[in-house]
Amino acid sequence: DTGVSQNPRHKITKRGQNVTFRCDPISEHNRLYWYRQTLGQGPEFLTYFQNEAQLEKSRLLSDRFSAERPKGSFSTLEIQRTEQGDSAMYLCASSLWTGGTEAFFGQGTRLTVV
Amino acid sequence: DQQVKQNSPSLSVQEGRISILNCDYTNSMFDYFLWYKKYPAEGPTFLISISSIKDKNEDGRFTVFLNKSAKHLSLHIVPSQPGDSAVYFCAASDQGGSEKLVFGKGMKLTVNP
Repeated sequence: DTGVSQNPRHKITKRGQNVTFRCDPISEHNRLYWYRQTLGQGPEFLTYFQNEAQLEKSRLLSDRFSAERPKGSFSTLEIQRTEQGDSAMYLCASSLWTGGTEAFFGQGTRLTVV
Repeated sequence: DQQVKQNSPSLSVQEGRISILNCDYTNSMFDYFLWYKKYPAEGPTFLISISSIKDKNEDGRFTVFLNKSAKHLSLHIVPSQPGDSAVYFCAASDQGGSEKLVFGKGMKLTVNP
């Protein structure tokens, strides 16, 4: 297993367009997390799944954002009607739910909204 | 309000010496703490973690110390190597694992040869 994989690595889009990112977690991990990181800040929690169930969403996740994990494997994060403030690094992580286990991060998708 | 604080934005040390990275937190419900290292254009890489039931955890050159009464943790790297140069993030969770991690802003460590 090569770890958490995110695609694309970079995305430039025009304001108002929709974008979708994909995350493939480590295969045996049943928890999957999405974070957002802006310049000079640490990652901020957006949402997480246990298998296909979305367990929690941050108030940072406006109604323009939607995340899915349809079969409990890969996940997608969609941003509708992008705004310049959405420009950030979007990070995906996965972990096993056995309590006290670390999350492993992918390389992230850098979104630039112009 | 920032629940996890890394008050020093940067640290520079000589190769072979000890690096000490500090982190303070305000939420007494945090019960699991992690350190991540991040290189430019890459995602964070897990380094070491500690549960609130412990006060020390060691893994090779990395040791994390937790002082619950002071709401403070530190990462010690001994000996420091040039390859350790990166941004280090402290993170915490109140759910016993990696759920809803709250990160500090990070600290840039430079290890000079």
